[in-house]
Amino acid sequence: SQTIHQWPATLVQPVGSPLSLECTVEGTSNPNLYWYRQAAGRGLQLLFYSVGIGQISSEVPQNLSASRPQDRQFILSSKKLLLSDSGFYLCAWMRAGTGLNEQYFGPGTRLTVT
Amino acid sequence: AQKVTQAQTEISVVEKEDVTLDCVYETRDTTYYLFWYKQPPSGELVFLIRRNSFDEQNEISGRYSWNFQKSTSSFNFTITASQVVDSAVYFCALIEGGAQKLVFGQGTRLTINP
Repeated sequence: SQTIHQWPATLVQPVGSPLSLECTVEGTSNPNLYWYRQAAGRGLQLLFYSVGIGQISSEVPQNLSASRPQDRQFILSSKKLLLSDSGFYLCAWMRAGTGLNEQYFGPGTRLTVT
Repeated sequence: AQKVTQAQTEISVVEKEDVTLDCVYETRDTTYYLFWYKQPPSGELVFLIRRNSFDEQNEISGRYSWNFQKSTSSFNFTITASQVVDSAVYFCALIEGGAQKLVFGQGTRLTINP
């Protein structure tokens, strides 16, 4: 069976500090991978998605970036955090090209920028 | 363009009442898929159901049922005999055939009071 991991679960970082959130998927190969952000009490905002190693599509211009160094690893980064980066970050995966296109989500990382 | 509208921002009912969450979608594609996700207080999104555009049969799973009507572009979700554990934010989502991204509604916060 497939599982998706995210870490850390919670993070408190000062403004201007760097960020690295990691997401890994087990039990599948060549998945599509996604990063979402959810501000408090709000909906889901798609930040980045990837259909393969090294392939990143950005949905929202901001001070965040994403990388996919391995097939089942997706990293969200920032060089300098802003207060507005606070939120709940969710990683998700989806099988590619099979028609089974529901996304499965990780447990999330709650980021507070102080 | 694709769009998903969940007009009900918040719903509050007393336990054992039936409750329906509305979802209206827009798409120009004839092949698409609709989804419902549950986000309990822990934060992780849980996949509930997927329905493709060629299958308008309603579905029932225990106390949950879904009504898909292409004529009104709606995919509503009903919880029968609600329970406190049903309290969560529920998201409706759409993906067009061959697309890589889901489009989410803004979510409905459902509170079941004992």
